[in-house]
Amino acid sequence: AQSVTQPDIHITVSEGASLELRCNYSYGATPYLFWYVQSPGQGLQLLLKYFSGDTLVQGIKGFEAEFKRSQSSFNLRKPSVHWSDAAEYFCAVGQESYNTDKLIFGTGTRLQVFP
Amino acid sequence: DAGVTQSPTHLIKTRGQQVTLRCSPKSGHDTVSWYQQALGQGPQFIFQYYEEEERQRGNFPDRFSGHQFPNYSSELNVNALLLGDSALYLCASTSTLYGYTFGSGTRLTVV
Repeated sequence: AQSVTQPDIHITVSEGASLELRCNYSYGATPYLFWYVQSPGQGLQLLLKYFSGDTLVQGIKGFEAEFKRSQSSFNLRKPSVHWSDAAEYFCAVGQESYNTDKLIFGTGTRLQVFP
Repeated sequence: DAGVTQSPTHLIKTRGQQVTLRCSPKSGHDTVSWYQQALGQGPQFIFQYYEEEERQRGNFPDRFSGHQFPNYSSELNVNALLLGDSALYLCASTSTLYGYTFGSGTRLTVV
């Protein structure tokens, strides 16, 4: 069965520091991978997605993620964090027909940013 | 262009009651999915509707049911509410071209 693990429940960084949020997945075939961000009381906003091709994916708000099949990972990175990046981040995996299939989410990583 | 609209935004129900949540999809989207997000957890897939039929279902009891209307809008119904049903319920509409768009959710509190 598919599953997604986000090992870090809570991460705190200083504004301007670099960021890496970890995501590991379990899926037998080629996964379709997503990162979403959720601000308090809000829905989910898509940051980026991996479908196929280049394993380094660029997203919105300066985020990027790298798909590493050998490590079953899809870690999210940002070179310099802004205070507005404080939010909950979710990694998710889908199957075929990725645009409409159900998504399996991790439990999320809460990012806190100190000035 | 309006995104996904959910109503109500918040509601409080008593154990044993029934509740109906509503979702209007993004224009041009024909598929609606519902997710339950308990506090401190990631969203969990409840079911998905396409062409007014349930196409996929997650691991939720039959107390959870849904409907999709000809205009693609959708309802989520939960019967015999339990305290554990308290959560944020997210609706997402999808299109084969553009993928998922999530609404802001309905916060359900069962007391």
